Amino acid sequence: KNQVEQSPQSLIILEGKNCTLQCNYTVSPFSNLRWYKQDTGRGPVSLTIMTFSENTKSNGRYTATLDADTKQSSLHITASQLSDSASYICVVSLTSGTYKYIFGTGTRLKVLA
Amino acid sequence: DVKVTQSSRYLVKRTGEKVFLECVQDMDHENMFWYRQDPGLGLRLIYFSYDVKMKEKGDIPEGYSVSREKKERFSLILESASTNQTSMYLCASSSQLAGGRNEQFFGPGTRLTVL
Repeated sequence: KNQVEQSPQSLIILEGKNCTLQCNYTVSPFSNLRWYKQDTGRGPVSLTIMTFSENTKSNGRYTATLDADTKQSSLHITASQLSDSASYICVVSLTSGTYKYIFGTGTRLKVLA
Repeated sequence: DVKVTQSSRYLVKRTGEKVFLECVQDMDHENMFWYRQDPGLGLRLIYFSYDVKMKEKGDIPEGYSVSREKKERFSLILESASTNQTSMYLCASSSQLAGGRNEQFFGPGTRLTVL
């Protein structure tokens, strides 16, 4: 069964600290993996997209990694800010050109001052 | 700046009412999607459209229908709203790019409450 599992479910950190969110997937055939940030009451916004051949992708203080062999991805947030408080959703899509996207349930991050 | 807009941010309806949720994108995208998002369940696909007047059922189409008369507009219809359709509804669009980078762009969401 195609699944995307994220951990932890929720996380609380202090402003300025780093954190890492995990995503494990059992999706085949794999096309690409994306991380989205979703602020409360808003739609998700893309942070990174990685295809099979990419192991790292950065977007400012966000760095995503992908290990296609172990089917794991992580999102590392450096020097967290209050505005990083949001849900982070890992999405894996099946073969290129299809509409099939498998969504994780997200990690809810809270950054405290 | 690319945009997906949804007609309402918040909507309150009564059981049995017919409900229309509208979505418009300005990116000339071929693909448009309707999802619902519930706590602990992630986004679930209701319907998908890959071209004008074309539609495909997603994972949870029961109780919903869709309409795509123009490329930029995709409507979700709840024929007879029920309380279990209380949810956040998200519209998204994407292009049919080759190479696997067909990123989805999401609207701000409509929080629907059915009383």
